[in-house]
Amino acid sequence: ETGVTQSPTHLIKTRGQQVTLRCSSQSGHNTVSWYQQALGQGPQFIFQYYREEENGRGNFPPRFSGLQFPNYSSELNVNALELDDSALYLCASSWEPGLAGSYNEQFFGPGTRLTVL
Amino acid sequence: AQKITQTQPGMFVQEKEAVTLDCTYDTSDPSYGLFWYKQPSSGEMIFLIYQGSYDQQNATEGRYSLNFQKARKSANLVISASQLGDSAMYFCAMRGPITGANSKLTFGKGITLSVRP
Repeated sequence: ETGVTQSPTHLIKTRGQQVTLRCSSQSGHNTVSWYQQALGQGPQFIFQYYREEENGRGNFPPRFSGLQFPNYSSELNVNALELDDSALYLCASSWEPGLAGSYNEQFFGPGTRLTVL
Repeated sequence: AQKITQTQPGMFVQEKEAVTLDCTYDTSDPSYGLFWYKQPSSGEMIFLIYQGSYDQQNATEGRYSLNFQKARKSANLVISASQLGDSAMYFCAMRGPITGANSKLTFGKGITLSVRP
């Protein structure tokens, strides 16, 4: 196990509703990245939070938003849910030094499977 | 823009034999990192191996080795002595550049590996 936890594990919502997914990062990590993985596809980068600030965003609309808290845990919020939002949502935590240097491994949580009906 | 291509159909291998999973990539960044992840049916992404673009030697981690051919922009994963527990989806991913603003990973579509007893 990586030490990264996500909640809930499964969630069913209807179109138009809002959802909040949670991620608890590994101890000592300061960066959380969120990915969306549609069925049969590879994960797609949504955004990343570094020391409580958004630090890069993928090609996702503004109704996807996030937060990172002082303890470096994170939330992903999705408003006005659409059917295509049905996917596995993965968070990954890492320790980033903020300077040029070596790559640090991202540790993934088990994911939250969201179904939108 | 970065791109990862994994085009193999589902792969089958006999237990105890070796198997190669193909990955090609495209990037204009001079420095980058290449990763392989394993995703069992449970959904969690498990880090397997990492290769830096400036690394002189191919990476190895236990039964996993990465056949890195920079001129061909390929980073194939070799699994030796396959085990039944190796049955899973395998994703190739890229991060770059090393001085980049964020550490997002760009994933391929994945390859399904089935190990036969």
